[in-house]
Amino acid sequence: RKEVEQDPGPFNVPEGATVAFNCTYSNSASQSFFWYRQDCRKEPKLLMSVYSSGNEDGRFTAQLNRASQYISLLIRDSKLSDSATYLCVVSAYSGAGSYQLTFGKGTKLSVIP
Amino acid sequence: GAVVSQHPSRVICKSGTSVKIECRSLDFQATTMFWYRQFPKQSLMLMATSNEGSKATYEQGVEKDKFLINHASLTLSTLTVTSAHPEDSSFYICSATPSRPDTQYFGPGTRLTVL
Repeated sequence: RKEVEQDPGPFNVPEGATVAFNCTYSNSASQSFFWYRQDCRKEPKLLMSVYSSGNEDGRFTAQLNRASQYISLLIRDSKLSDSATYLCVVSAYSGAGSYQLTFGKGTKLSVIP
Repeated sequence: GAVVSQHPSRVICKSGTSVKIECRSLDFQATTMFWYRQFPKQSLMLMATSNEGSKATYEQGVEKDKFLINHASLTLSTLTVTSAHPEDSSFYICSATPSRPDTQYFGPGTRLTVL
């Protein structure tokens, strides 16, 4: 089983649509969870952290279910600028004060005019 | 805040040459920096963890003699790809951790093409 698994997509949605991405992870010792955004041929950029209580940042809502080892990201009112690959990322302590990130392959989103 | 730079952004070299990539944290000190590699349509794969003043820790399958990492200061880590071959062509990305150790900020990446 892959450590962090995501539907690769692509998700092609019209502007204004609501789209949801899901992610599962296998390491039950994972401690922190994130969604990153990666544009084509660019570095990943932190979109938001994910908490069990759920958190919202504008049009973006992230949710974590530790029991199911499942993470979600909801994007409302999609904009053309939201087109990118969304990476599900989990962090686990690797010793000596350091944490390692494990990345999913990403889910590609294309928002269409 | 939390800006990480990488240089060069793109490099094309001949097979057998060595290429050095620099990673700098511009506005914070980074005790730990990470080096990743990303092949087309693949996820980022951690190559090594670099701690200032000590030897890097390499992931399984990554040759430490081929990918030399130096972390001489709290703001600079370098990755040298020695005797590069076409299969080393990839997108190399570094990251650094600011005050929160489980959060990483990424450099813009270096696209290496070995002919």
